[in-house]
Amino acid sequence: EAGVAQSPRYKIIEKRQSVAFWCNPISGHATLYWYQQILGQGPKLLIQFQNNGVVDDSQLPKDRFSAERLKGVDSTLKIQPAKLEDSAVYLCASSLDRTLSYEQYFGPGTRLTVT
Amino acid sequence: AQSVTQLGSHVSVSEGALVLLRCNYSSSVPPYLFWYVQYPNQGLQLLLKYTSAATLVKGINGFEAEFKKSETSFHLTKPSAHMSDAAEYFCAVSDRLAGTALIFGKGTTLSVSS
Repeated sequence: EAGVAQSPRYKIIEKRQSVAFWCNPISGHATLYWYQQILGQGPKLLIQFQNNGVVDDSQLPKDRFSAERLKGVDSTLKIQPAKLEDSAVYLCASSLDRTLSYEQYFGPGTRLTVT
Repeated sequence: AQSVTQLGSHVSVSEGALVLLRCNYSSSVPPYLFWYVQYPNQGLQLLLKYTSAATLVKGINGFEAEFKKSETSFHLTKPSAHMSDAAEYFCAVSDRLAGTALIFGKGTTLSVSS
C-alpha cells in the first residue's frame, strides 16, 4: 500500500513570494490533515478536511494561507505572500475517517525555507 | 481544551541505560495518546498508541508507555538504550469523541552516548 505522498520535498523562496505544496493521501482515506512544524517545536494542525469539506481550520492564517481538496482526494496548501516565520516543515497526514484519528499516517513533509 | 506537556526538552543517556521520556496531558475526556519518533530530515513514525483499556502499551523498537489516569501521564520507556534511538520524540493527544486532529507536545531530543 502506497503511503502519503508529498511534493516538493524541499523549497526555498524569498519573502513575499508564493508557494504551493501538494499532498496525495493513502487511497480511500477520507480525512486529510496539514500540519506545520517549526524548528524545535511539535507539529501544529493548520487544517483538517473530511472528504472535500473543511472540518477545522481555526489555526490557519487565512490572510496568507489557503488549502483545498476539491475532489476529496489530493490537496494543495498555498502560502501567499510568504513571511520569514513561515519557514517550517509542512506535514500532510491522512486517516480512513475522522473517527479514526488515532490511525493517522504521515507523509515525509515539505521543508520550506523563506529567505 | 486538550494539551500535552513534555518535561525536558533534552534527555541524555548512555548506551544500555534506561530511557525515560515524560509526557503529561490535559483532557476533559478520555483521550487517545501517542508517541512519535522523528529522525533528522525524516517524517514522523508512530512508536505506540493508547486507545483502549490496556494501560501498558508496547510499541516498536522495544519502547513501551503506561497510561496513568490518576497522574494524567503517558511516559515513554525503554529498558536499554541503543545508539540508534537518538532522535526527537513527540507525545501527542487526540479527542476520541470528537475525532480531532493530533495535538503535539514540543518534543524531547534523546541523545545516546557510547
